[in-house]
Amino acid sequence: RKEVEQDPGPFNVPEGATVAFNCTYSNSASQSFFWYRQDCRKEPKLLMSVYSSGNEDGRFTAQLNRASQYISLLIRDSKLSDSATYLCVVETSYDKVIFGPGTSLSVIP
Amino acid sequence: DVKVTQSSRYLVKRTGEKVFLECVQDMDHENMFWYRQDPGLGLRLIYFSYDVKMKEKGDIPEGYSVSREKKERFSLILESASTNQTSMYLCASSLRGTGSSEQFFGPGTRLTVL
Repeated sequence: RKEVEQDPGPFNVPEGATVAFNCTYSNSASQSFFWYRQDCRKEPKLLMSVYSSGNEDGRFTAQLNRASQYISLLIRDSKLSDSATYLCVVETSYDKVIFGPGTSLSVIP
Repeated sequence: DVKVTQSSRYLVKRTGEKVFLECVQDMDHENMFWYRQDPGLGLRLIYFSYDVKMKEKGDIPEGYSVSREKKERFSLILESASTNQTSMYLCASSLRGTGSSEQFFGPGTRLTVL
């Protein structure tokens, strides 16, 4: 089993739709969790951290379920500019992280 | 703004050549990382470094070595390039600390080995 798994997609959604991405991780001792965004032919950039209590940043909501070892990212009111690959990232030990394979999102006019 | 730069955006080498990929960051970060990214496999950690002259193997170190002589510079070396090392190589840096800090990536080097 891979350490971090994501549905690769692609997810093709119309503008204004709500879309949710899921991610599972295998190491129960994992400490910190993140979502990164990677635009086509660009480097990954941090989108948001994921906290145990869940957190929201504008149209983006991240949730963590430690018992199920599951992380989610919800995007509301999708924009064309949200089209990208979304990487689930898990910190397994001191300063070392594992990147998931990514989920591709295309928002269609 | 943090800036991580990589020496080349595109590189074409022949099998057996020695290849150097350079990475420089300007934010005094302790941690530096080298990843490769392949379709369907995501980013895989090759080597990382927490300090000058310090290095640790990542998940796929075979065929690679690294050098960190100065805090701001982390080099990836392919001693004898092979076709299966054709990939996108990404360098990243971060501050040291628990609770993890954001990794800042360079623009990547797309290496083709013929």
